[in-house]
Amino acid sequence: GAGVSQSPSNKVTEKGKDVELRCDPISGHTALYWYRQRLGQGLEFLIYFQGNSAPDKSGLPSDRFSAERTGESVSTLTIQRTQQEDSAVYLCASSFNRGNEQYFGPGTRLTVT
Amino acid sequence: GQQVMQIPQYQHVQEGEDFTTYCNSSTTLSNIQWYKQRPGGHPVFLIQLVKSGEVKKQKRLTFQFGEAKKNSSLHITATQTTDVGTYFCAGCAAGNKLTFGGGTRVLVKP
Repeated sequence: GAGVSQSPSNKVTEKGKDVELRCDPISGHTALYWYRQRLGQGLEFLIYFQGNSAPDKSGLPSDRFSAERTGESVSTLTIQRTQQEDSAVYLCASSFNRGNEQYFGPGTRLTVT
Repeated sequence: GQQVMQIPQYQHVQEGEDFTTYCNSSTTLSNIQWYKQRPGGHPVFLIQLVKSGEVKKQKRLTFQFGEAKKNSSLHITATQTTDVGTYFCAGCAAGNKLTFGGGTRVLVKP
Protein backbone atom coordinates (compact mmCIF):
# COMPACT_ATOMS: atom_id res chain seq x y z
CA GLY A 1 0.00 0.00 0.00
CA ALA A 2 0.93 3.66 -0.09
CA GLY A 3 3.51 4.93 2.33
CA VAL A 4 3.61 8.17 4.28
CA SER A 5 3.37 11.17 2.00
CA GLN A 6 4.31 14.76 2.71
CA SER A 7 3.73 18.01 0.89
CA PRO A 8 5.24 20.17 -0.29
CA SER A 9 8.57 18.42 -0.87
CA ASN A 10 10.35 21.77 -0.86
CA LYS A 11 9.31 25.13 0.52
CA VAL A 12 11.20 28.39 0.29
CA THR A 13 9.74 31.22 2.32
CA GLU A 14 10.73 34.66 3.48
CA LYS A 15 11.54 35.32 7.09
CA GLY A 16 8.41 36.31 9.00
CA LYS A 17 5.96 34.41 6.80
CA ASP A 18 3.81 31.51 8.01
CA VAL A 19 4.13 28.03 6.49
CA GLU A 20 1.97 24.94 6.63
CA LEU A 21 3.33 21.46 6.08
CA ARG A 22 1.13 18.45 5.42
CA CYS A 23 1.48 14.78 6.26
CA ASP A 24 -0.66 11.86 5.06
CA PRO A 25 0.01 8.82 7.26
CA ILE A 26 -0.38 5.19 6.33
CA SER A 27 -4.02 4.17 6.55
CA GLY A 28 -4.78 2.45 9.84
CA HIS A 29 -1.81 3.92 11.69
CA THR A 30 -3.05 5.51 14.90
CA ALA A 31 0.24 7.16 15.84
CA LEU A 32 1.75 10.11 13.97
CA TYR A 33 4.99 11.94 14.71
CA TRP A 34 6.70 15.10 13.48
CA TYR A 35 10.49 15.49 13.60
CA ARG A 36 12.89 18.22 12.57
CA GLN A 37 16.25 17.34 11.08
CA ARG A 38 18.82 20.06 10.55
CA LEU A 39 21.56 19.46 7.99
CA GLY A 40 23.87 16.70 9.15
CA GLN A 41 22.07 16.36 12.48
CA GLY A 42 19.86 13.80 14.16
CA LEU A 43 16.10 13.61 14.53
CA GLU A 44 14.57 16.23 16.82
CA PHE A 45 11.18 15.13 18.13
CA LEU A 46 8.49 17.81 17.80
CA ILE A 47 5.04 16.37 18.48
CA TYR A 48 3.18 13.06 18.67
CA PHE A 49 -0.49 12.22 18.04
CA GLN A 50 -2.25 9.03 19.12
CA GLY A 51 -5.81 8.63 17.93
CA ASN A 52 -8.07 11.08 19.69
CA SER A 53 -5.86 11.44 22.76
CA ALA A 54 -4.25 14.75 23.69
CA PRO A 55 -1.04 15.17 21.67
CA ASP A 56 2.42 15.10 23.23
CA LYS A 57 3.70 18.57 22.40
CA SER A 58 6.79 18.37 24.57
CA GLY A 59 9.20 18.74 21.64
CA LEU A 60 7.81 21.91 20.09
CA PRO A 61 10.64 24.46 20.26
CA SER A 62 8.47 27.58 20.62
CA ASP A 63 4.89 28.79 20.49
CA ARG A 64 5.41 29.63 16.83
CA PHE A 65 5.07 25.91 16.15
CA SER A 66 1.73 24.13 16.23
CA ALA A 67 0.24 21.00 14.73
CA GLU A 68 -3.16 19.50 14.24
CA ARG A 69 -4.52 16.09 13.41
CA THR A 70 -8.14 15.09 13.12
CA GLY A 71 -8.65 11.52 14.29
CA GLU A 72 -6.33 9.17 12.44
CA SER A 73 -6.06 11.22 9.27
CA VAL A 74 -3.95 13.99 7.84
CA SER A 75 -1.79 16.19 10.03
CA THR A 76 -0.56 19.71 9.42
CA LEU A 77 2.42 21.37 11.05
CA THR A 78 2.27 25.16 11.08
CA ILE A 79 5.19 27.45 11.70
CA GLN A 80 4.30 31.09 12.25
CA ARG A 81 6.62 34.03 11.69
CA THR A 82 9.36 31.80 10.32
CA GLN A 83 12.97 32.45 11.28
CA GLN A 84 16.14 31.42 9.50
CA GLU A 85 16.89 28.87 12.21
CA ASP A 86 13.67 27.06 11.21
CA SER A 87 15.39 25.97 7.99
CA ALA A 88 15.52 22.17 8.10
CA VAL A 89 13.88 19.03 6.79
CA TYR A 90 10.61 18.30 8.55
CA LEU A 91 9.89 14.59 8.68
CA CYS A 92 6.58 12.96 9.45
CA ALA A 93 6.27 9.34 10.54
CA SER A 94 3.40 7.05 11.39
CA SER A 95 3.14 3.75 13.19
CA PHE A 96 0.40 1.23 13.93
CA ASN A 97 0.63 2.10 17.58
CA ARG A 98 3.05 3.91 19.85
CA GLY A 99 6.24 1.88 20.25
CA ASN A 100 5.85 0.04 16.94
CA GLU A 101 8.23 0.63 14.05
CA GLN A 102 7.84 4.03 12.44
CA TYR A 103 7.42 4.64 8.73
CA PHE A 104 8.82 7.95 7.59
CA GLY A 105 7.68 10.19 4.79
CA PRO A 106 10.16 11.78 2.37
CA GLY A 107 10.14 15.03 4.32
CA THR A 108 9.61 18.69 3.50
CA ARG A 109 12.76 20.73 3.04
CA LEU A 110 12.06 24.20 4.43
CA THR A 111 14.35 27.08 3.57
CA VAL A 112 13.77 30.44 5.22
CA THR A 113 15.49 33.33 3.43
CA GLY B 1 13.88 12.03 30.77
CA GLN B 2 15.13 9.08 28.79
CA GLN B 3 18.35 9.60 26.86
CA VAL B 4 19.77 7.44 24.08
CA MET B 5 23.40 7.90 23.11
CA GLN B 6 25.17 6.49 20.09
CA ILE B 7 28.89 6.12 19.56
CA PRO B 8 30.77 6.84 17.51
CA GLN B 9 29.14 9.87 15.93
CA TYR B 10 31.17 9.30 12.77
CA GLN B 11 32.62 6.06 11.45
CA HIS B 12 35.11 6.12 8.58
CA VAL B 13 35.72 2.57 7.40
CA GLN B 14 37.70 1.05 4.57
CA GLU B 15 35.63 -0.96 2.12
CA GLY B 16 35.79 -4.61 3.10
CA GLU B 17 36.47 -3.98 6.78
CA ASP B 18 34.18 -4.63 9.75
CA PHE B 19 32.94 -2.13 12.31
CA THR B 20 30.56 -1.85 15.24
CA THR B 21 28.39 1.02 16.40
CA TYR B 22 26.92 1.21 19.88
CA CYS B 23 23.72 2.48 21.42
CA ASN B 24 23.24 3.14 25.15
CA SER B 25 20.08 4.07 27.00
CA SER B 26 19.77 5.78 30.37
CA THR B 27 16.76 3.58 31.18
CA THR B 28 15.75 -0.04 30.70
CA LEU B 29 14.01 -0.57 27.39
CA SER B 30 11.10 -2.73 26.31
CA ASN B 31 12.51 -2.87 22.81
CA ILE B 32 15.08 -1.23 20.62
CA GLN B 33 14.79 -0.40 16.95
CA TRP B 34 17.37 0.41 14.29
CA TYR B 35 16.89 2.64 11.28
CA LYS B 36 19.07 3.55 8.31
CA GLN B 37 19.01 6.89 6.53
CA ARG B 38 20.80 7.06 3.19
CA PRO B 39 22.24 10.45 2.19
CA GLY B 40 19.37 12.65 0.99
CA GLY B 41 16.79 10.10 2.09
CA HIS B 42 14.55 9.46 5.04
CA PRO B 43 15.03 6.95 7.89
CA VAL B 44 13.97 3.41 7.05
CA PHE B 45 13.19 0.80 9.69
CA LEU B 46 15.68 -2.08 9.77
CA ILE B 47 14.89 -4.25 12.76
CA GLN B 48 13.44 -4.48 16.26
CA LEU B 49 14.92 -6.37 19.21
CA VAL B 50 12.75 -7.28 22.18
CA LYS B 51 14.37 -9.99 24.29
CA SER B 52 17.32 -9.66 26.63
CA GLY B 53 20.48 -10.81 24.86
CA GLU B 54 18.70 -11.17 21.54
CA VAL B 55 20.81 -11.36 18.40
CA LYS B 56 19.41 -10.91 14.91
CA LYS B 57 21.17 -10.96 11.57
CA GLN B 58 20.34 -9.36 8.25
CA LYS B 59 22.92 -10.48 5.70
CA ARG B 60 26.12 -8.68 6.77
CA LEU B 61 24.42 -6.79 9.63
CA THR B 62 24.28 -8.26 13.13
CA PHE B 63 22.15 -6.58 15.79
CA GLN B 64 22.42 -7.36 19.49
CA PHE B 65 20.35 -6.33 22.51
CA GLY B 66 22.19 -6.25 25.81
CA GLU B 67 21.38 -8.53 28.73
CA ALA B 68 20.21 -5.60 30.83
CA LYS B 69 18.14 -4.24 27.93
CA LYS B 70 19.89 -0.87 28.17
CA ASN B 71 22.26 -1.12 25.25
CA SER B 72 22.51 -2.45 21.75
CA SER B 73 25.05 -2.81 19.00
CA LEU B 74 25.12 -3.04 15.23
CA HIS B 75 28.03 -4.88 13.64
CA ILE B 76 28.62 -4.71 9.89
CA THR B 77 31.01 -7.15 8.26
CA ALA B 78 32.81 -6.63 4.95
CA THR B 79 31.55 -3.07 4.60
CA GLN B 80 30.35 -2.05 1.14
CA THR B 81 29.69 1.35 -0.38
CA THR B 82 25.97 0.58 -0.13
CA ASP B 83 26.35 0.70 3.66
CA VAL B 84 26.94 4.46 3.54
CA GLY B 85 24.42 6.42 5.57
CA THR B 86 23.38 7.25 9.11
CA TYR B 87 22.30 4.48 11.44
CA PHE B 88 19.91 5.47 14.20
CA CYS B 89 18.90 3.39 17.16
CA ALA B 90 15.65 4.16 18.94
CA GLY B 91 14.83 2.95 22.40
CA CYS B 92 11.28 2.24 23.52
CA ALA B 93 10.71 2.79 27.23
CA ALA B 94 7.93 3.74 29.61
CA GLY B 95 4.66 4.63 27.93
CA ASN B 96 5.96 3.11 24.69
CA LYS B 97 7.75 6.36 23.93
CA LEU B 98 10.45 5.92 21.30
CA THR B 99 13.58 8.04 21.72
CA PHE B 100 16.07 8.26 18.88
CA GLY B 101 19.80 8.39 19.36
CA GLY B 102 21.91 10.96 17.55
CA GLY B 103 22.99 8.50 14.88
CA THR B 104 26.28 7.13 13.59
CA ARG B 105 27.29 8.53 10.22
CA VAL B 106 29.11 5.87 8.21
CA LEU B 107 31.48 6.84 5.44
CA VAL B 108 33.12 4.15 3.34
CA LYS B 109 36.52 4.60 1.72
CA PRO B 110 36.79 2.59 -1.50
